[in-house]
Amino acid sequence: DTGVSQDPRHKITKRGQNVTFRCDPISEHNRLYWYRQTLGQGPEFLTYFQNEAQLEKSRLLSDRFSAERPKGSFSTLEIQRTEQGDSAMYLCASSSIRDTTYEQYFGPGTRLTVT
Amino acid sequence: QQPVQSPQAVILREGEDAVINCSSSKALYSVHWYRQKHGEAPVFLMILLKGGEQKGHEKISASFNEKKQQSSLYLTASQLSYSGTYFCGTENFGNEKLTFGTGTRLTIIP
Repeated sequence: DTGVSQDPRHKITKRGQNVTFRCDPISEHNRLYWYRQTLGQGPEFLTYFQNEAQLEKSRLLSDRFSAERPKGSFSTLEIQRTEQGDSAMYLCASSSIRDTTYEQYFGPGTRLTVT
Repeated sequence: QQPVQSPQAVILREGEDAVINCSSSKALYSVHWYRQKHGEAPVFLMILLKGGEQKGHEKISASFNEKKQQSSLYLTASQLSYSGTYFCGTENFGNEKLTFGTGTRLTIIP
């Protein structure tokens, strides 16, 4: 059990550019979640997957955001035409529905800065 | 709606106890507690489910009042390492996602 990993850890991009983040969940965890966190706030839910199926997407998520989990293992989150308001920490978490308590374990996050 | 946490901030001396509360306006299925240190990811502390099941770290205790839609986290004999921001994440029926509160900043001083 190596924990949830995310790549890159930091990303600086210019407004209007596209960015893609990767998340590798804990092995055998079939649920994967994406959250966004801004300074002084709690994580905000974006979307989640069970295996390769995207089960829910936040209404707050504009059509510039897309997430995939093609083989039910790692996931990618893409932001197109980035805006300064997209600057935040993007957190990934995973859990197992085989656990009756399905607690979520978070990765270290990707800090995005849009200039 | 976002759960409300209280207090917003608390300062304790090492060895003192603290209680952090989390309250929701909606019926809850589960409450999850996390601690986050500056610049780091949230770390899982405790999960409490409707019906009484719970799981967490040995030195952490919490309660879940289903009728009042509230949960409390109890930190006893606090250590310097307990410093950080504590978040509750609530799960409503059928959502299967967590809505996090605004956090409680805990500072432990020697």
